Amino acid sequence: GAVVSQHPSRVICKSGTSVKIECRSLDFQATTMFWYRQFPKQSLMLMATSNEGSKATYEQGVEKDKFLINHASLTLSTLTVTSAHPEDSSFYICSAMRLQETQYFGPGTRLLVL
Amino acid sequence: GNSVTQMEGPVTLSEEAFLTINCTYTATGYPSLFWYVQYPGEGLQLLLKATKADDKGSNKGFEATYRKETTSFHLEKGSVQVSDSAVYFCALNNNNNDMRFGAGTRLTVKP
Repeated sequence: GAVVSQHPSRVICKSGTSVKIECRSLDFQATTMFWYRQFPKQSLMLMATSNEGSKATYEQGVEKDKFLINHASLTLSTLTVTSAHPEDSSFYICSAMRLQETQYFGPGTRLLVL
Repeated sequence: GNSVTQMEGPVTLSEEAFLTINCTYTATGYPSLFWYVQYPGEGLQLLLKATKADDKGSNKGFEATYRKETTSFHLEKGSVQVSDSAVYFCALNNNNNDMRFGAGTRLTVKP
């Protein structure tokens, strides 16, 4: 099956610092990657969609300067939370899609900003 | 717009009980429908999917049938196990870059 990894799985940082989360498709080339945010006991909220080599498309209400997305290759996308604040604490999940197929999700990254 | 509505939880069942989690959708055209499962502290795993009307997705004893006439994709399992305890998400994808999720239903199976 299709495997998607995320790193780190858990990160704690101080307010004002930046945090980078990596999302990798391990056994397939992902034409599109997605970044979601999940609050406790809630559903997933799509933050942005990224295609390799082009700028990410952000959902309404998501600050692109706050959540920087880079999709440098067909197997790697990164989400950088800049100048993190406690309200950015959340569970961040990426997914990767191969051509017009199903989205495969990573295991998630739990971010805690102190 | 596209949306998914699934039954609110939490759902608590005894082992070997029958499970149904209702899911209905609103969409234009012909979306693909999915059920994902999320175990505690983990990301989502694809459980099953159906891409056209009357298709039945099945996996690990779970089944769901794409019913266009009732715009539904209810998840069923004949005999649940403790290991099935998780949160289940119904989702639709209408143009490949627009995945919509339901709110999730937490299932707890007691021995």
